[in-house]
Amino acid sequence: DTAVSQTPKYLVTQMGNDKSIKCEQNLGHDTMYWYKQDSKKFLKIMFSYNNKELIINETVPNRFSPKSPDKAHLNLHINSLELGDSAVYFCASSQRVAGYVGKTQYFGPGTRLLVL
Amino acid sequence: AQKVTQAQTEISVVEKEDVTLDCVYETRDTTYYLFWYKQPPSGELVFLIRRNSFDEQNEISGRYSWNFQKSTSSFNFTITASQVVDSAVYFCALSEAIRGAQKLVFGQGTRLTINP
Repeated sequence: DTAVSQTPKYLVTQMGNDKSIKCEQNLGHDTMYWYKQDSKKFLKIMFSYNNKELIINETVPNRFSPKSPDKAHLNLHINSLELGDSAVYFCASSQRVAGYVGKTQYFGPGTRLLVL
Repeated sequence: AQKVTQAQTEISVVEKEDVTLDCVYETRDTTYYLFWYKQPPSGELVFLIRRNSFDEQNEISGRYSWNFQKSTSSFNFTITASQVVDSAVYFCALSEAIRGAQKLVFGQGTRLTINP
């Protein structure tokens, strides 16, 4: 069984459109994340939810809106897509971090978004 | 601010050679965690190791070994007797705990090519 899954795997769309990416984890984790990997392979965190509460919101344009209906799902909706949004978007999950104890993040397969 | 530097952008070696990937980090935290992830050509991110700042013992897992040196803020990764299947982009990452979640700050990645 896939631990962290994302749909769709590929997304090709026109500038100005609105699109969503879905993420689900079956690891029983409380915390989920979205990362963006640009064309130079640089990975940067966008958002993190802990049991449906938004915890991390890195300086991401407000065209990006995450939604967590429950702790096993974290979706990413993008409005008015721009050329610069073309990237690979990774979802990840981990156990809740308590104090300074680090937890491993497990990543989904990624969604390759191409904006034309 | 947290920072991770992987100075080697690309490395190319012949199969069976040993290769070391360098990772240098900056943090003001006294407790932190370091990670290595592998991204093969298929694109997924595969977790390799997690190490906390209090444990400076070297770790070995099969052909993989990690050398953590707090004095030089480095967490280097060595592959012994490299194989073609080791070809991938390797990322070093540093954690920052934020209210139950954990932000991973990634290095730029090192593209490793193992030639037959």
